[in-house]
Amino acid sequence: GAVVSQHPSWVICKSGTSVKIECRSLDFQATTMFWYRQFPKQSLMLMATSNEGSKATYEQGVEKDKFLINHASLTLSTLTVTSAHPEDSSFYICSAGVEFRYEQYFGPGTRLTVT
Amino acid sequence: ILNVEQSPQSLHVQEGDSTNFTCSFPSSNFYALHWYRWETAKSPEALFVMTLNGDEKKKGRISATLNTKEGYSYLYIKGSQPEDSATYLCAFIGNTGNQFYFGTGTSLTVIP
Repeated sequence: GAVVSQHPSWVICKSGTSVKIECRSLDFQATTMFWYRQFPKQSLMLMATSNEGSKATYEQGVEKDKFLINHASLTLSTLTVTSAHPEDSSFYICSAGVEFRYEQYFGPGTRLTVT
Repeated sequence: ILNVEQSPQSLHVQEGDSTNFTCSFPSSNFYALHWYRWETAKSPEALFVMTLNGDEKKKGRISATLNTKEGYSYLYIKGSQPEDSATYLCAFIGNTGNQFYFGTGTSLTVIP
């Protein structure tokens, strides 16, 4: 139980284009989904928290107009990297919370490379 | 930004050896500590959720202890097997919010 899928697993895009990453909870309903980013040799850093049906809450330093998050249903959240640049190249991973203070279930992540 | 540190950064052990690694976190405002096991190209898998000082949890050959007063947790693997090769992450949750603060992980390689 508590499986989270994430697609695509890797993507290469050209600078200036937009990329959408999907995060789905397959066998449970997630009221809260989290998006993290990990640069090489660094820890997972929370980018934003989204609750179904409401606007995402972004962490300090994360541009909300660049990283668009939509959480339209209890099983799907999407992260769109708009006008991607090489510095956005990173590993993006989502998690879904049931009782968010105790458990987060992670997707396998998406490796984004912007050329 | 809250500091969570894991050591060592990487570890190579022979099959059958026992090993342990450390997660250090702030000793104030503690709520919970999570341990995850993360294999390449897979989702991080939850191992333990630890909440009480002195907690000791066990899952097969893997166990963990928690000291909230001094701000550390140990993860032990007894009789390491090649399938234990993975990155082990810890995540601290404070009592002022729901954010997980992750360490950089310990990469374990078990050599057959």
